[in-house]
Amino acid sequence: GAGVSQSPSNKVTEKGKDVELRCDPISGHTALYWYRQRLGQGLEFLIYFQGNSAPDKSGLPSDRFSAERTGESVSTLTIQRTQQEDSAVYLCASSLNRANEQFFGPGTRLTVL
Amino acid sequence: GQNIDQPTEMTATEGAIVQINCTYQTSGFNGLFWYQQHAGEAPTFLSYNVLDGLEEKGRFSSFLSRSKGYSYLLLKELQMKDSASYLCAVKNDNQGGKLIFGQGTELSVKP
Repeated sequence: GAGVSQSPSNKVTEKGKDVELRCDPISGHTALYWYRQRLGQGLEFLIYFQGNSAPDKSGLPSDRFSAERTGESVSTLTIQRTQQEDSAVYLCASSLNRANEQFFGPGTRLTVL
Repeated sequence: GQNIDQPTEMTATEGAIVQINCTYQTSGFNGLFWYQQHAGEAPTFLSYNVLDGLEEKGRFSSFLSRSKGYSYLLLKELQMKDSASYLCAVKNDNQGGKLIFGQGTELSVKP
């Protein structure tokens, strides 16, 4: 596709359930980022993948959060035992490499009841 | 640590000029980005400054002073569609390619 895509666009879940969010970056982009945006707030960095290097996980808020990336393509962000404070929009971005501007997907709006 | 400050909200009139300021304190610096985000949508890239000075792109310009840890985004000939949140973000290459974002400035353009 022409841009970054994410699925689902909306996810409503019950507290304690696990959720999996998917990101398809722009083809050929080696760098992929996950951010979280709470209502009315700026973007909060979660995790960054660059090629075959070890991911930068420094932004993950707890061990309930994890992410994987298959080669230089799709990435999944998994949140285990969701809590209400996990409710946010989760944005994925990709860039040609880490030096270039990041292109954002439309986000997944997660609501934990 | 990292600290990026920008005003929470601003109001301006259609046709006018508005300047949105951003100050930053980071342990390393490899560029400053401005993004525009309309409500409910993803951020879209506006500008990138890595050297001091002014970068002009149509109605939008961005300025950087590395010695002062300061940037601004200048919007000219404001249009109603410019009502959005404007996000300042710094890339600290000491921490890979990730961006550190400010809280965003909510701009309202009034007729």
